[in-house]
Amino acid sequence: GAVVSQHPSWVICKSGTSVKIECRSLDFQATTMFWYRQFPKQSLMLMATSNEGSKATYEQGVEKDKFLINHASLTLSTLTVTSAHPEDSSFYICSATYQGFEDEQYFGPGTRLTVT
Amino acid sequence: GESVGLHLPTLSVQEGDNSIINCAYSNSASDYFIWYKQESGKGPQFIIDIRSNMDKRQGQRVTVLLNKTVKHLSLQIAATQPGDSAVYFCAENGEEAGGTSYGKLTFGQGTILTVHP
Repeated sequence: GAVVSQHPSWVICKSGTSVKIECRSLDFQATTMFWYRQFPKQSLMLMATSNEGSKATYEQGVEKDKFLINHASLTLSTLTVTSAHPEDSSFYICSATYQGFEDEQYFGPGTRLTVT
Repeated sequence: GESVGLHLPTLSVQEGDNSIINCAYSNSASDYFIWYKQESGKGPQFIIDIRSNMDKRQGQRVTVLLNKTVKHLSLQIAATQPGDSAVYFCAENGEEAGGTSYGKLTFGQGTILTVHP
């Protein structure tokens, strides 16, 4: 149980366009979802925390107008990279927790974004 | 801000050897620690966790040791196999339940483990 999926697994887009990444909890209701970004050979850096039905909380240095997060239901959160630039190319990973077990984060498989 | 770091960025071992991956953390308030394994192009995979009220926890072929005095965490993998080759991250959760940032993890830099047959 506690499976998290992401779609797409990889995406290539042109500079200036927007791309949406979905994160779904398949067999549990995710009260909180986290979005991470990982550059090659680096660690995971938390971008934002989203709770269902409320605005996301962004980490310092993350532009909320560029990385739009929507957690509209207990099983789906989306990250939209707006006006993408080559420097946004990265591996984006989401994770989810459920109420009462907030210590345990279940990670998705990640989405590889390449901006050309 | 607080951070979690690793002593060794790379570790190469022979198949069958025991591996030890180390991690130093700086937030003395952290009360929950997790080790993750990440294979290339995939998300982190939970290996083992430990709470601050413990100093050792064992799983299948893995053991995590926590030394709160020196704020050090280690992951021991017994009889390392080629399939263990991956990047290993430690992570800490320093937020208390009920806090606005509860559940947030801070990841260490990662150690690349390479197991040679």
